[in-house]
Amino acid sequence: EDQVTQSPEALRLQEGESSSLNCSYTVSGLRGLFWYRQDPGKGPEFLFTLYSAGEEKEKERLKATLTKKESFLHITAPKPEDSATYLCAVQNSGGSNYKLTFGKGTLLTVNP
Amino acid sequence: GAVVSQHPSWVICKSGTSVKIECRSLDFQATTMFWYRQFPKQSLMLMATSNEGSKATYEQGVEKDKFLINHASLTLSTLTVTSAHPEDSSFYICSAQGTHTDTQYFGPGTRLTVL
Repeated sequence: EDQVTQSPEALRLQEGESSSLNCSYTVSGLRGLFWYRQDPGKGPEFLFTLYSAGEEKEKERLKATLTKKESFLHITAPKPEDSATYLCAVQNSGGSNYKLTFGKGTLLTVNP
Repeated sequence: GAVVSQHPSWVICKSGTSVKIECRSLDFQATTMFWYRQFPKQSLMLMATSNEGSKATYEQGVEKDKFLINHASLTLSTLTVTSAHPEDSSFYICSAQGTHTDTQYFGPGTRLTVL
């Protein structure tokens, strides 16, 4: 069974204070690892897909990296508008089902 | 691009009634759509996967007779909660995936409250 564990559960940062969120995963075969951002009362917003160990992707203040066992979402000089829950999900390469298995998320709060 | 809408954004209904939620992909054709539910401060739990023109595949523990899913076209899927009860109150979110991509794009969600 695919499993995704995110840490920490919650993170408070001061504006400009860089940090990283962790996503550890167990999957029999990885098709892709996805990062989403979710604001309260809204659906998840797609950020990145990573496919193989060593891959990195960047978008503004966010950078996602991937190893064979975990992924990190690095946030550089965050701003209050980066406050949200960040969700990690894996997609198994087995079968034709493209379903995602999500972690519980990391609630990020950036104080001005 | 890759915009998914849901309607309604919130609904309140009486126990025993049925509620229909629509999910539309606005600027792409969605060969596969997914329905999730999310309880407060918890992550998304997949309920079912539907492919256009086919019967939905339900996750273990999800009652297919209670949560009816129809994916009649490449841009529309509906979830009908039949004979709703207070324990069905939740945040329901759909996602859509187009051809030649493995990325799911999510709708804004529907808040269902059953009194």
